[in-house]
Amino acid sequence: EPEVTQTPSHQVTQMGQEVILRCVPISNHLYFYWYRQILGQKVEFLVSFYNNEISEKSEIFDDQFSVERPDGSNFTLKIRSTKLEDSAMYFCASSETTAYGYTFGSGTRLTVV
Amino acid sequence: EDQVTQSPEALRLQEGESSSLNCSYTVSGLRGLFWYRQDPGKGPEFLFTLYSAGEEKEKERLKATLTKKESFLHITAPKPEDSATYLCAVQAAAGGSYIPTFGRGTSLIVHP
Repeated sequence: EPEVTQTPSHQVTQMGQEVILRCVPISNHLYFYWYRQILGQKVEFLVSFYNNEISEKSEIFDDQFSVERPDGSNFTLKIRSTKLEDSAMYFCASSETTAYGYTFGSGTRLTVV
Repeated sequence: EDQVTQSPEALRLQEGESSSLNCSYTVSGLRGLFWYRQDPGKGPEFLFTLYSAGEEKEKERLKATLTKKESFLHITAPKPEDSATYLCAVQAAAGGSYIPTFGRGTSLIVHP
């Protein structure tokens, strides 16, 4: 069964450093998403991406965040200057259409120290 | 603002003891309601999509139903491997956004 692959599985970074989280969505999917989940809290939407541009973003997705699809397979989330409160699990997801359920990756656990 | 409320927050069952999880929602028209399963430290795994009141979907021991105000996830004769957090997400038809809003989930533990 096709999978969404995320790397790394765990990243520890110092406050103020830049991090890039990487994702390989399912190849025939057209919509890509980043979500985050702070420990013990609910899954929160960050941004959606379609046709090589951001289609929606939440209030969380401020100027410190950016997304890119640098080639035909990778989808990245960059956090420019990490803060302690950015510590969370970050999930990438993809879908064929907006009406179907998403396929999520296993996540990247980001720890900011 | 759209709201998704799941209950109970946590549920402990004995193996074979059937029960139901609830997801109540208030949205400006429902486009779709999604159920996911999430194991600790993993991403949500898609289970079902429901689109209209009266619709039902089944998969193994799980059955999801939908009314105009809530959805139930019925678990029949659960096994320990059904232990997980079950998430509900609701997609509104109005407002221009197709992004589903997730509830906080129900943590299910099934004891052997």
